[in-house]
Amino acid sequence: GQSLEQPSEVTAVEGAIVQINCTYQTSGFYGLSWYQQHDGGAPTFLSYNALDGLEETGRFSSFLSRSDSYGYLLLQELQMKDSASYFCAVRDRTNSGYSTLTFGKGTMLLVSP
Amino acid sequence: NAGVTQTPKFQVLKTGQSMTLQCAQDMNHNSMYWYRQDPGMGLRLIYYSASEGTTDKGEVPNGYNVSRLNKREFSLRLESAAPSQTSVYFCASTNSPSGGNEQFFGPGTRLTVL
Repeated sequence: GQSLEQPSEVTAVEGAIVQINCTYQTSGFYGLSWYQQHDGGAPTFLSYNALDGLEETGRFSSFLSRSDSYGYLLLQELQMKDSASYFCAVRDRTNSGYSTLTFGKGTMLLVSP
Repeated sequence: NAGVTQTPKFQVLKTGQSMTLQCAQDMNHNSMYWYRQDPGMGLRLIYYSASEGTTDKGEVPNGYNVSRLNKREFSLRLESAAPSQTSVYFCASTNSPSGGNEQFFGPGTRLTVL
């Protein structure tokens, strides 16, 4: 089966940099995604890494190391609006040949003034 | 474009009652998914439909059935609701039968079973 581990909570101050780590165990791995979810809202897509290395999108970056089964989400210049839950999700192959997402339990990021 | 829409937004059921959660997308996506989200548990896949005419079980399918009515609509049915099915239910879609990289989520249905 699949399993993902990420910290349950991270705190930081405005303007700081924070890194949220994710380790995974899965078969048929295709890639690692990150989603953001504000309290009471729907998850929204942030990034996807299929290959090793760093992907940058504005203030957010995501990293993957396939050999270490490890990735992280890096948030820079933190703003209050970044307070949310962040989920890593592995895209892996099902027995029927399709692929689905398996989500981690989420990391709650609290940004303080 | 409305994206992914879900009805109802809130629902309270008594144990043993049945109901159908509706989901529709207007992005011409092939694949659609139903997840449940419980506190501290993240999102867990209930059922998915990789393309019109196909459905498959996910991680937690027991107690649920689904229907891919057409390319736009994917419904989730609880035949006999149980308190353990109290949860927030999210529908999602993507444009690739292989799962795609980005799933688009609806606003969710908050279900309480008494």
